[in-house]
Amino acid sequence: AQSVTQPDIHITVSEGASLELRCNYSYGATPYLFWYVQSPGQGLQLLLKYFSGDTLVQGIKGFEAEFKRSQSSFNLRKPSVHWSDAAEYFCAVGPYNTDKLIFGTGTRLQVFP
Amino acid sequence: GAVVSQHPSWVICKSGTSVKIECRSLDFQATTMFWYRQFPKQSLMLMATSNEGSKATYEQGVEKDKFLINHASLTLSTLTVTSAHPEDSSFYICSALPLVAGGPQETQYFGPGTRLLVL
Repeated sequence: AQSVTQPDIHITVSEGASLELRCNYSYGATPYLFWYVQSPGQGLQLLLKYFSGDTLVQGIKGFEAEFKRSQSSFNLRKPSVHWSDAAEYFCAVGPYNTDKLIFGTGTRLQVFP
Repeated sequence: GAVVSQHPSWVICKSGTSVKIECRSLDFQATTMFWYRQFPKQSLMLMATSNEGSKATYEQGVEKDKFLINHASLTLSTLTVTSAHPEDSSFYICSALPLVAGGPQETQYFGPGTRLLVL
């Protein structure tokens, strides 16, 4: 069965610290992978996506993610977190032959000054 | 960037009434829109896929007679929760898939969500 696991429910970091949010997926073939951010009162915003090619993907707001096929992972990273990055982050998988997205349970990021 | 709106942003209704939620793609056309439901501190669960001009495709376990979906145009899909009950209280989110001429999967654009509270 297709699934996405985000093992960290809640992460707290200090402003300026580095960040890594974990995402593991289960799928029989190479999936399309996404990271979205959800802020209160706003729709999910796409941070980055991976379809094929270079396994290190650059996104908006200084985020990047690396696809590791051997580990079935697509972890999100940012070298220096800003207070405005506090939000809920969702990893998602989209099977290549459909448009459906399967979401992980999300990781809530809290940033301390 | 592409913008998707939802209306209303929140609604409170009495048990037994019906509630309609609109999802609009403001600056692009979308043949496909998706409806998700999100419970507190949980992930988004896909409810149904809405295709313009055809019947919606519902995910397993979603009652199609309770959650009526109409995709009347390339910019509008509506979700009607019929005979709403307290257990239908949730956060409903739509997304729209831009109409493209081909190529790889395009990105879904999400609306801000509608919070429904059924008393």
